[in-house]
Amino acid sequence: EAGVTQSPTHLIKTRGQQATLRCSPISGHTSVYWYQQALGLGLQFLLWYDEGEERNRGNFPPRFSGRQFPNYSSELNVNALELEDSALYLCASSLDTGGEKTYEQYFGPGTRLTVT
Amino acid sequence: DAKTTQPPSMDCAEGRAANLPCNHSTISGNEYVYWYRQIHSQGPQYIIHGLKNNETNEMASLIITEDRKSSTLILPHATLRDTAVYYCIVRVGDTGRRALTFGSGTRLQVQP
Repeated sequence: EAGVTQSPTHLIKTRGQQATLRCSPISGHTSVYWYQQALGLGLQFLLWYDEGEERNRGNFPPRFSGRQFPNYSSELNVNALELEDSALYLCASSLDTGGEKTYEQYFGPGTRLTVT
Repeated sequence: DAKTTQPPSMDCAEGRAANLPCNHSTISGNEYVYWYRQIHSQGPQYIIHGLKNNETNEMASLIITEDRKSSTLILPHATLRDTAVYYCIVRVGDTGRRALTFGSGTRLQVQP
């Protein structure tokens, strides 16, 4: 079974530009989560999408946005890039496990965004 | 979600058991204990979770104390590939929020 995939692996942008990151969840998973891991910092929750809707977002400005497509893949868009947006962006997916609703999340390899 | 406390780093000899502790003294009755690990610059990997019973899978064992205020992740025969940061996370199982809150974790270094 294929895991969570993300593209591109690396992305280099200039301040003020926009970045688009993509994520394909594990087949059958309907929820997609985005996390940011800046250098030397922990993982910070960004966004959660389920069934095409944004369900929750972390403490990030509105220039961080995204969407989920009918096939459950997802895009993360970061507008007006700032130097501090340089980080590893991780996507995870989860499945409703039915009886025991624990929703463990499975992570992709990440996209490393560098803003110069 | 309950706060967790983990030692910042631990060493383990290759082939020996690695026992990683986690304190979660404010855990509520409906909160699960999850363990993830992150090998350098890769995405976190789900290891195991439990509510109150001890759990075992192909990767590890999870021992939760009877009062549920602490737990231990056991890697029975650590290898060099187990060198990673291990995160203990406590959260409600069925929640509308769903985000995982990662702390600083324990950096496990497996020595040859």
